[in-house]
Amino acid sequence: GQNIDQPTEMTATEGAIVQINCTYQTSGFNGLFWYQQHAGEAPTFLSYNVLDGLEEKGRFSSFLSRSKGYSYLLLKELQMKDSASYLCAVVDSNYQLIWGAGTKLIIKP
Amino acid sequence: DTAVSQTPKYLVTQMGNDKSIKCEQNLGHDTMYWYKQDSKKFLKIMFSYNNKELIINETVPNRFSPKSPDKAHLNLHINSLELGDSAVYFCASSQGSGEHSPLHFGNGTRLTVT
Repeated sequence: GQNIDQPTEMTATEGAIVQINCTYQTSGFNGLFWYQQHAGEAPTFLSYNVLDGLEEKGRFSSFLSRSKGYSYLLLKELQMKDSASYLCAVVDSNYQLIWGAGTKLIIKP
Repeated sequence: DTAVSQTPKYLVTQMGNDKSIKCEQNLGHDTMYWYKQDSKKFLKIMFSYNNKELIINETVPNRFSPKSPDKAHLNLHINSLELGDSAVYFCASSQGSGEHSPLHFGNGTRLTVT
């Protein structure tokens, strides 16, 4: 079967750095997305990786290793507004999006 | 200037009723989707429409039927509602078929069936 694994919940301190991991086992790979979802709101797009390496976008970076079936989202200089769920989603060989259950990130002052 | 809008935001109804959720996008995107997010926060694709043609139809009950009058609209009609249908339903759109393009989501419709 197809599977996306993310930690259920993480806690970090304002101003710090946090890394949210995502491992996947899917039938093929055609890209990986990260989305942010605040409680009671819609998911919003953060990043897309299809080649190995690090993609940096402001305070957020996303890394991909296709050989390891692994990605992480790195959040720097954490702010209280970064408290949200972070969803990892993989595009499989049929171009279907397979979603993880998300990681709830709690930021403490 | 909302990109993807869906109505209503909240829907409380009784078992057995029929209800519809409307969705419109003004992004000029080719593909629209309906997702269901359950209490465990998994997002499950229900339907997608590309240029008015159904291109994904997951194993959802046939009580659920998508209707797309044009490229900018994809409505969801649900017959004979059941308790297990309670969830948040998200409409989304993307350029192309979405394999490389990010999804733009509406704000969700929280459906509660009593």
